[in-house]
Amino acid sequence: GAGVSQSPSNKVTEKGKDVELRCDPISGHTALYWYRQRLGQGLEFLIYFQGNSAPDKSGLPSDRFSAERTGESVSTLTIQRTQQEDSAVYLCASSPSAGTQYFGPGTRLTVL
Amino acid sequence: GENVEQHPSTLSVQEGDSAVIKCTYSDSASNYFPWYKQELGKGPQLIIDIRSNVGEKKDQRIAVTLNKTAKHFSLHITETQPEDSAVYFCAASWFSGGYNKLIFGAGTRLAVHP
Repeated sequence: GAGVSQSPSNKVTEKGKDVELRCDPISGHTALYWYRQRLGQGLEFLIYFQGNSAPDKSGLPSDRFSAERTGESVSTLTIQRTQQEDSAVYLCASSPSAGTQYFGPGTRLTVL
Repeated sequence: GENVEQHPSTLSVQEGDSAVIKCTYSDSASNYFPWYKQELGKGPQLIIDIRSNVGEKKDQRIAVTLNKTAKHFSLHITETQPEDSAVYFCAASWFSGGYNKLIFGAGTRLAVHP
């Protein structure tokens, strides 16, 4: 079946602009995660959604970062007033519960 | 909280040799340990996982071992091929805030030379 999809695959923006990244999880997966991966680095947890429960936002690095998810469908990660240090690959993963996570291809964000 | 350390950070082997990547974790309550392979420009892909009720699991050329007492687990790749070249991440589950998170190691860049 279809895996996790993310859009856009690449995004170049100017410092100070807002960006919105989209994640379509695997159908039926109740859990959804966002991670940030800087060049050559590991996976940095950002936020977790599980069904209709309150999200775990403990990994968001600043109040410029926010994410939404409606039910068990699409999620969007928004970064306001982007800074150059926000440049990274943003990965989304979904899971049927809170076990094995399946990752999308990521969105490469470049802030000029 | 949980901490996962992964070694080595880079590994270079000749085609046909074996490769071993090791991870240690800190929380003895962790019970799920997946391994992911990330190729250039792609998202991480699950290649094998193990739960705390078993000590070893194999899938063709890939095997994972778990030592719960020592709190470490390892990925073994035999008869390596150039297409095995990628970054490999280990992870350990950590129950916090009412759900199981995955805490990832920093990754190992494996290069297999023909």
